[in-house]
Amino acid sequence: AQSVSQHNHHVILSEAASLELGCNYSYGGTVNLFWYVQYPGQHLQLLLKYFSGDPLVKGIKGFEAEFIKSKFSFNLRKPSVQWSDTAEYFCAVNPRWDSNYQLIWGAGTKLIIKP
Amino acid sequence: NAGVTQTPKFQVLKTGQSMTLQCAQDMNHEYMSWYRQDPGMGLRLIHYSVGAGITDQGEVPNGYNVSRSTTEDFPLRLLSAAPSQTSVYFCASSYSRQSYEQYFGPGTRLTVT
Repeated sequence: AQSVSQHNHHVILSEAASLELGCNYSYGGTVNLFWYVQYPGQHLQLLLKYFSGDPLVKGIKGFEAEFIKSKFSFNLRKPSVQWSDTAEYFCAVNPRWDSNYQLIWGAGTKLIIKP
Repeated sequence: NAGVTQTPKFQVLKTGQSMTLQCAQDMNHEYMSWYRQDPGMGLRLIHYSVGAGITDQGEVPNGYNVSRSTTEDFPLRLLSAAPSQTSVYFCASSYSRQSYEQYFGPGTRLTVT
């Protein structure tokens, strides 16, 4: 079945560590790609998105993601995490051939940053 | 701007009971949707609406009804609650269906016993 996979359900890091959260999808063809974040007690919000162009996308709060088409991946990165990055992160994919423009979501990764 | 609001935040139902989860947005967004989130799974689309008077089914519509009588409101009705509907429910809106930046409500945590 076509899907979106986030490799780690839980990640624990110390402050200043580098972060990489994996996201792979199994759709062929052109896709739109997203990362959303949910901070504790807050709403889900868009972190960054990729539609076309430069495969390295920069988002809010120092996050970036790289689209590697050959690997069907859209991994989220941050060079140095802060305690305030503790949150749950969701990858989402929209296959452009989907006329309903539906987003298919990964299961999420809970990130805990130790102070 | 309140954004997207949902009520209630928590709800416990007995099997067979019905209830309505409320969702409202004040951004004049055309597109609204309901998702459920279950442990170890991503958000799954229940129903969506592309404008007042227009609704359609998502991936997991069974056991739920929606209506969209105004641009602002998009209630989700559980007809006869079942334990399998225990979940966290999120309402979201966006400017249009093709506008992928969705704005989410805070969620409703529903438990069916």
